[in-house]
Amino acid sequence: NAGVTQTPKFQVLKTGQSMTLQCAQDMNHNSMYWYRQDPGMGLRLIYYSASEGTTDKGEVPNGYNVSRLNKREFSLRLESAAPSQTSVYFCASSEQRWSGELFFGEGSRLTVL
Amino acid sequence: GENVEQHPSTLSVQEGDSAVIKCTYSDSASNYFPWYKQELGKRPQLIIDIRSNVGEKKDQRIAVTLNKTAKHFSLHITETQPEDSAVYFCAAMNYGGSQGNLIFGKGTKLSVKP
Repeated sequence: NAGVTQTPKFQVLKTGQSMTLQCAQDMNHNSMYWYRQDPGMGLRLIYYSASEGTTDKGEVPNGYNVSRLNKREFSLRLESAAPSQTSVYFCASSEQRWSGELFFGEGSRLTVL
Repeated sequence: GENVEQHPSTLSVQEGDSAVIKCTYSDSASNYFPWYKQELGKRPQLIIDIRSNVGEKKDQRIAVTLNKTAKHFSLHITETQPEDSAVYFCAAMNYGGSQGNLIFGKGTKLSVKP
């Protein structure tokens, strides 16, 4: 039982490049989330998926797109990376939309040069 | 929307002392208040949560108090140990509401000195 798994763990991009962060959970959770964490800014919600087939914007969605591929997988895409997107990205899941505990992945550190 | 303020941003205590982290929230409809602990280089993990129908909850050395009137809640850690050193995040939301998300504070870096 791996919980929430994110890939890659580290990535360096040049401005304008695109990339996709992958996330998968094996807990049969309905809801999944993408956060970014910046020094002194806490955890800010980018997008979430309350259930398979639905996605919604969070606090800071600009510059990102998401896909809920199936119940297990939720990906985050940067179409044209910018230095302001340098951050640590966390995927999380919960049984239902905001139902109690969030289970986080280990994080993906992204640097945009 | 909800706004959560967390203080202090850094806190240093001696091993064995108590530590208190305070948060205020803006949305009176919020009724669920979790606390997450993030050790250096690790993922955030839930350590305790409280719902608005109770004023206090304890789990061994950790306790959380809630004052709905004043819209603030606090995390109390007694008999601190070096392994308590981490960043702690408070959060708030309207659990069960059709709108609104879990909003986190900016975090408190707790250092426990041996």
